[in-house]
Amino acid sequence: ETGVTQTPRHLVMGMTNKKSLKCEQHLGHNAMYWYKQSAKKPLELMFVYSLEERVENNSVPSRFSPECPNSSHLFLHLHTLQPEDSALYLCASSYTGEGTEAFFGQGTRLTVV
Amino acid sequence: AQSVTQLGSHVSVSEGALVLLRCNYSSSVPPYLFWYVQYPNQGLQLLLKYTTGATLVKGINGFEAEFKKSETSFHLTKPSAHMSDAAEYFCAVSRIQGAQKLVFGQGTRLTINP
Repeated sequence: ETGVTQTPRHLVMGMTNKKSLKCEQHLGHNAMYWYKQSAKKPLELMFVYSLEERVENNSVPSRFSPECPNSSHLFLHLHTLQPEDSALYLCASSYTGEGTEAFFGQGTRLTVV
Repeated sequence: AQSVTQLGSHVSVSEGALVLLRCNYSSSVPPYLFWYVQYPNQGLQLLLKYTTGATLVKGINGFEAEFKKSETSFHLTKPSAHMSDAAEYFCAVSRIQGAQKLVFGQGTRLTINP
């Protein structure tokens, strides 16, 4: 069992739907992240939450809305998505010390129809 | 700003042959460097990382990488490829302060021929 758990693993949604992706980490980390992985593109950091800061990638559309109620849980709320938002969404967590690695969940495969 | 370039989006080797996946980075500060592997329909798994100290880093599954500052490189190698090594490999660099924010290369898909 991975230390970072994402649900659901697969999601198909229409452009008018509202859905949420969930991520939970059991590693005691103090930072969590959302990444987007599209075909033939580098992984794109979308959002970062930590004790020290919350960082948003300014290129991420407002139809993606993160929520981090505590250090173990992270959500990505989705509404009025576009077909080009179809991708693998990866959650990760880490400590915030220098040189520490990120641990990734298995991802949610999102298809927007 | 930091960036990573992986040379070759697709590498194919025979089983038992040497695996060499190339990674060059750009960083204005001393970098932390990582290699991750992604199997189909899975998340990313850390293979190895370089922070400070010894420039030759050994990782899991027989992989190793060497940090060469003069060449701004961090190439990944394995002496003898196994069929189970078929996957996508990502090189990444991170900044040294604040929350870990990995900047990834485009990835290299490794195929192993029997």
